[in-house]
Amino acid sequence: QQQVKQSPQSLIVQKGGISIINCAYENTAFDYFPWYQQFPGKGPALLIAIRPDVSEKKEGRFTISFNKSAKQFSLHIMDSQPGDSATYFCAAPRHNAGNMLTFGGGTRLMVKP
Amino acid sequence: GAVVSQHPSWVICKSGTSVKIECRSLDFQATTMFWYRQFPKQSLMLMATSNEGSKATYEQGVEKDKFLINHASLTLSTLTVTSAHPEDSSFYICSATPGLAGDVTDTQYFGPGTRLTVL
Repeated sequence: QQQVKQSPQSLIVQKGGISIINCAYENTAFDYFPWYQQFPGKGPALLIAIRPDVSEKKEGRFTISFNKSAKQFSLHIMDSQPGDSATYFCAAPRHNAGNMLTFGGGTRLMVKP
Repeated sequence: GAVVSQHPSWVICKSGTSVKIECRSLDFQATTMFWYRQFPKQSLMLMATSNEGSKATYEQGVEKDKFLINHASLTLSTLTVTSAHPEDSSFYICSATPGLAGDVTDTQYFGPGTRLTVL
């Protein structure tokens, strides 16, 4: 079963700073990696996802960098804002299980004003 | 688009009773729905996968007779926690995807979750 290791578990960043969250995966069969953002008491919401044909994807202040050889991918939040304070989960498809996802352990981000 | 709702958003019940949670895809047909469980400050743990019109596939360690899942239509799946006990207290979240569980890039859209507290 696909294992996804996410770090750090928690992160404190000053407003305007860069937040970086890293994930490592095991199985190389798939190159689809979504990131979800979850606020307390709410369900996760898809933030950004990277597809098989690119090594980096940027949407506004959010960027995914993908390193296939290292089996790692990371989320960068530029100009972090207090409203970005949430828990972030990376995910990866399970091996031979279609779009079933295995989630990382989560990173609790706090952006201080 | 791609909105998933859950009802109720929170429920408190007595030990031994059963609780039903509904998951609906509001603006798309969900061939596949997933049910997750999340304990405080922990990640999402998949409980089961259900495809419309067929029996759910449960993850190892999840009691199928305790967590009954029905996916009777393309827009509705229900999770019934039978004979609930305090250890079943958790945050239950469903997700839905428009395609079959064979497209690795098919996005899962999550519901807002249901907080279950068993007294």
